[in-house]
Amino acid sequence: AQSVTQLDSHVSVSEGTPVLLRCNYSSSYSPSLFWYVQHPNKGLQLLLKYTSAATLVKGINGFEAEFKKSETSFHLTKPSAHMSDAAEYFCVVSDLTRDTGNQFYFGTGTSLTVIP
Amino acid sequence: DGGITQSPKYLFRKEGQNVTLSCEQNLNHDAMYWYRQDPGQGLRLIYYSQIVNDFQKGDIAEGYSVSREKKESFPLTVTSAQKNPTAFYLCASSIVKVGNQPQHFGDGTRLSIL
Repeated sequence: AQSVTQLDSHVSVSEGTPVLLRCNYSSSYSPSLFWYVQHPNKGLQLLLKYTSAATLVKGINGFEAEFKKSETSFHLTKPSAHMSDAAEYFCVVSDLTRDTGNQFYFGTGTSLTVIP
Repeated sequence: DGGITQSPKYLFRKEGQNVTLSCEQNLNHDAMYWYRQDPGQGLRLIYYSQIVNDFQKGDIAEGYSVSREKKESFPLTVTSAQKNPTAFYLCASSIVKVGNQPQHFGDGTRLSIL
């Protein structure tokens, strides 16, 4: 079975400094991986997805994530935090099976605070 | 623009009452999902449906019911058997049987007890 671990429940950075949100997954084969962002009282918005075409994935709003199979990690980064980046971030792994179709497994989320 | 519409945005339930949350999508996705979100607990799967007229229980289905009579619609009923219904409910959809496809989410319904 797939599982996802977000290593930090809360991260706090100063505006203009780098952001690192950590995600580790467990999978017996090549996974599909996603990062989502959620602003208060809103749904989840897709930031980026790993499709196995490239290990470094670029997403929206300047975010990137690097897939490292040897470390089973998919950490999310951004060079310079902006106040509007303050939100909850979710790492998700999906599993496609013949019987059940697409199954999605969510991390517990990382709350990002950006200090002015 | 294609997307998922959840309504209402806020809903209040009286004790002993059933309430229904609406979810409509125009993305032509086969699969639809309902999640419950509580503070600090991430998302938990209530029900999902891969095709019209079929659905499966998720991890926390007790006290909830769903129907899937149309591809576009997947309403969730929170029954009186759900003793702690106060939460943020999210509906999602996705393509089925194709890998690397993400879920698309609505903006949620916040349910509270009166």
